[in-house]
Amino acid sequence: AQTVTQSQPEMSVQEAETVTLSCTYDTSENNYYLFWYKQPPSRQMILVIRQEAYKQQNATENRFSVNFQKAAKSFSLKISDSQLGDTAMYFCAFMTARYGSRLTFGEGTQLTVNP
Amino acid sequence: DARVTQTPRDKVTEMGQEVTMRCQPILGHNTVFWYRQTMMQGLELLAYFRNRAPLDDSGMPKDRFSAEMPDATLATLKIQPSEPRDSAVYFCASGLAGYNEQFFGPGTRLTVL
Repeated sequence: AQTVTQSQPEMSVQEAETVTLSCTYDTSENNYYLFWYKQPPSRQMILVIRQEAYKQQNATENRFSVNFQKAAKSFSLKISDSQLGDTAMYFCAFMTARYGSRLTFGEGTQLTVNP
Repeated sequence: DARVTQTPRDKVTEMGQEVTMRCQPILGHNTVFWYRQTMMQGLELLAYFRNRAPLDDSGMPKDRFSAEMPDATLATLKIQPSEPRDSAVYFCASGLAGYNEQFFGPGTRLTVL
């Protein structure tokens, strides 16, 4: 079974600064995907970024980037130039590469961006 | 703009009543997932379907929950009878088998009094 752990229940950052959210996971699989989802107060789950485990290069999406350390089973999210609209709950999630598999989520980190 | 739709958005009901939540997956998607979000348990998978057939419903309490896909454009999740511990946000997500992205609906917030 896979597990995902987010050890930071809450974090805060000043607008325009950089913040890093941590995530670790446990799996015996070799092929898998990792995701960061954002859930603002509207409760809509929004995909922020994804990483394929077979790719060594870290994924980036505009101000969002990840630090994927496969051997350490670590997958952190860096948000640069934080904006007020980044205030949300952030979930790290895991999916095996098997056909049509489920998402396993971490507990979430509530990020608040302060003006 | 293709998106997953869910109805109702919010539901308040009395303990013991039947609750039905509906989901319309994105047209062409052949995999549908039901997740439940609570403060205590976080986000957890209840069941999922591929090509309308249930693949896994091990996360679902069998005695009171049932999930079906009457057709490719509709997935339903029923609770009968409902209990206060069922209060949660229920998300539907859809995707294409072989692709790793799941698209989430806006969720149904269920409150059982």
